Amino acid sequence: DVKVTQSSRYLVKRTGEKVFLECVQDMDHENMFWYRQDPGLGLRLIYFSYDVKMKEKGDIPEGYSVSREKKERFSLILESASTNQTSMYLCASKRSNTEAFFGQGTRLTVV
Amino acid sequence: QKEVEQNSGPLSVPEGAIASLNCTYSDRVSQSFFWYRQYSGKSPELIMSIYSNGDKEDGRFTAQLNKASQYVSLLIRDSQPSDSATYLCAALVRGAGSYQLTFGKGTKLSVIP
Repeated sequence: DVKVTQSSRYLVKRTGEKVFLECVQDMDHENMFWYRQDPGLGLRLIYFSYDVKMKEKGDIPEGYSVSREKKERFSLILESASTNQTSMYLCASKRSNTEAFFGQGTRLTVV
Repeated sequence: QKEVEQNSGPLSVPEGAIASLNCTYSDRVSQSFFWYRQYSGKSPELIMSIYSNGDKEDGRFTAQLNKASQYVSLLIRDSQPSDSATYLCAALVRGAGSYQLTFGKGTKLSVIP
């Protein structure tokens, strides 16, 4: 079975902190994604990566950056957390042109 | 037009009925489509994928793709209360370097016992 693991299930951070969300997959997938999910807005793509050190902006990249130094790991970085970044964050991975598998999600609260 | 659009619902059907969920897509979308189910507080899980025109059946679920009309649908036969969830339609959209996976906002389904 494909396994996508996010480092934390719940996180509480203070405004202005630098926040790291980690995602690891064990199936050698080329593509990895970071989404945030908010009520009424659905899943919105923040960034995705199609290879090591390669990244593309999604629909809402402002306030975020990403890092992919190894194929299995994709990190989402909030440079200076703000309250409007309180959300559920979901990581996914996939092979080209196939379905994506999701991690369990990280519910981030910024206070 | 957004790449993938769904009616947000909610959609209510009685137990045992057929639930019909629909999704339309724009010209930017490739021909790979996916249906995910998401229970409250959980992450999405794949139900069906469909790549070619026509119907694809898996148990109580049937995915339908109509390229001419640019829509994809999911039918759930003999709906059960355990099918109550949000259903997400997703498609691959070509980016600069690869395909990104884009989702509709989801349709909330309630199956009434």
